Amino acid sequence: EPEVTQTPSHQVTQMGQEVILRCVPISNHLYFYWYRQILGQKVEFLVSFYNNEISEKSEIFDDQFSVERPDGSNFTLKIRSTKLEDSAMYFCASRLAAYEQYFGPGTRLTVT
Amino acid sequence: DQQVKQNSPSLSVQEGRISILNCDYTNSMFDYFLWYKKYPAEGPTFLISISSIKDKNEDGRFTVFLNKSAKHLSLHIVPSQPGDSAVYFCAYSENQGGKLIFGQGTELSVKP
Repeated sequence: EPEVTQTPSHQVTQMGQEVILRCVPISNHLYFYWYRQILGQKVEFLVSFYNNEISEKSEIFDDQFSVERPDGSNFTLKIRSTKLEDSAMYFCASRLAAYEQYFGPGTRLTVT
Repeated sequence: DQQVKQNSPSLSVQEGRISILNCDYTNSMFDYFLWYKKYPAEGPTFLISISSIKDKNEDGRFTVFLNKSAKHLSLHIVPSQPGDSAVYFCAYSENQGGKLIFGQGTELSVKP
């Protein structure tokens, strides 16, 4: 069964450093998303991406964040200058046409 | 900004009995409701969904009920199995292609 994959599973970085989180969505899906979950809190929407552009973003997704689909398979989230409060699980999701989104296993980002 | 509320952080049920997970929402414009299950160190897994024009949807052991007048959503699992032990999130989408808004989650424990 096709699935969304994410790498790395765990990333440790120092405050102020740039990180890139990578996702490979399900191959025929058209809509791509990033969410995050800070420990003990809700899963929160960050950004949605369709047809090579951002279709919606949350207040969390400020100028420090960017997304890219550099080729036909990868979907990346970049944080330019990480802060302590960026420590969270980051989930990538994708969907084809229906409402259901399919999530990857997540990347745990730890900012020290 | 509690648009989706799951008021019970945890629920414990005996194997074979019914598990009922509840969710309340505030916005009548919600178009589509979904339930996700999440195991530790994994991403949310889609379980079942319901359109706002329906009041019930069933898939095997899982049934979702929507009470629009009460703005209430529930997930019934019967019979419950130990493998159902996980955190369950309700989520809604305002429109197709839109972000998912998640509740806080309810941790279900099914005891043998």
